[in-house]
Amino acid sequence: EVQLVQSGAEVKKPGESLKISCKGSGYSFTNYWIAWVRQMPGKGLEWMGIIYPAHSDARYSPSFQGQVTISADKSINTAYLQWSSLKASDSAMYYCARDVPGDYWGQGTLVTVSS
Amino acid sequence: QSALTQPRSVSGSPGQSVTISCTGTSSDVGGYNYVSWYQQHPGKAPKLIIYGVSKRPSGVPDRFSGSKSGNTASLTLSGLQAEDEADYYCCSYAGTYTLGVFGGGTKLTVL
Repeated sequence: EVQLVQSGAEVKKPGESLKISCKGSGYSFTNYWIAWVRQMPGKGLEWMGIIYPAHSDARYSPSFQGQVTISADKSINTAYLQWSSLKASDSAMYYCARDVPGDYWGQGTLVTVSS
Repeated sequence: QSALTQPRSVSGSPGQSVTISCTGTSSDVGGYNYVSWYQQHPGKAPKLIIYGVSKRPSGVPDRFSGSKSGNTASLTLSGLQAEDEADYYCCSYAGTYTLGVFGGGTKLTVL
């Protein structure tokens, strides 16, 4: 069974760093792109970027380029989304999905940034 | 403002059919046959229900169907059921430098 399991909810202060994870199982992790999607409170979906774990080839949507870093560790079938300095506006639910358009999705990681 | 335009809400009674539209431009919906649709229940992750305009992933009932005409894609749900009540999002490929653009979402209410 294909599964993407994300790390738990996070509460952070502005300016702090954060790295959330997405662990794939039940399929060949290196053969599929992993995408990250943001959903701000009460809002719609936005593709943030994707990574191909076999090569760690990461690509970003223009709105998120330079704002986040996407990485992967193929040895443990895990992809990551990280921020070096969080802002209040980064508060959102973040989903990982297999491939675009995303045939399998993680359960989501809620990130709250508040002073 | 979202790149693709969807109605904010639609409604229908059990057993009826409803159609949700998704209007873009020739640079996205009209230019590629890469329109996908997602169903999202409250507090849950999105679920892919249509890809490639009209293809259904394994396990998605054939009550869900997708189509496209010009710059507008459509999702039709036939034989509405209570569990279809959810938010629905469309998405289209929009060229090399994007991963795709979403619509703003449509809330489906089953009366």
